[in-house]
Amino acid sequence: EDKVVQSPLSLVVHEGDTVTLNCSYEVTNFRSLLWYKQEKKAPTFLFMLTSSGIEKKSGRLSSILDKKELFSILNITATQTGDSAIYLCAVRGNYGQNFVFGPGTRLSVLP
Amino acid sequence: GAVVSQHPSRVICKSGTSVKIECRSLDFQATTMFWYRQFPKQSLMLMATSNEGSKATYEQGVEKDKFLINHASLTLSTLTVTSAHPEDSSFYICSANYRGPGYEQYFGPGTRLTVT
Repeated sequence: EDKVVQSPLSLVVHEGDTVTLNCSYEVTNFRSLLWYKQEKKAPTFLFMLTSSGIEKKSGRLSSILDKKELFSILNITATQTGDSAIYLCAVRGNYGQNFVFGPGTRLSVLP
Repeated sequence: GAVVSQHPSRVICKSGTSVKIECRSLDFQATTMFWYRQFPKQSLMLMATSNEGSKATYEQGVEKDKFLINHASLTLSTLTVTSAHPEDSSFYICSANYRGPGYEQYFGPGTRLTVT
């Protein structure tokens, strides 16, 4: 059975801190891994990763995938209060199938 | 960019009534859409995969007769919660594959259903 585990489940930091969110997975015929940010409503797309070792970057956020060790990390540098959200990791297994979501990491950034 | 809309964003209904939620891909065609349910402080749970022109594929434990899905066109899927009960109160989110399988999903804004 496909499985996605995220850690930590909850994290509280202060503005300016750097955080690393972890996502490990077990999935048959891995295709891609996605990171989403969810605030009050539906998730918004951050990154899609398909290849190992290639960092994807968007502003203060970056992510990388390790297909050998079956995990991905999401880094956020110089955190701001607006980064407070739930960060979801999802993986797709067999081609054309839906993603399996992890439980999410609830990040709280304090001023 | 890929935009997915949902309507309504919020609905309150009485127990025993039915509610229809629409999911539209506004600027792309989606042969496959997905319906999720999310309880407070929990992650997304896939309910069903909606395929244009064919029957939906439901996840284990999801009642087909209670959650009716119709994917009438390449830009519209509907979820009807029939004979709603208070335990059906939840946040329902749809998503669509942008550019087809293997690419990222884009989510609608979600519909908060409250059954009284």
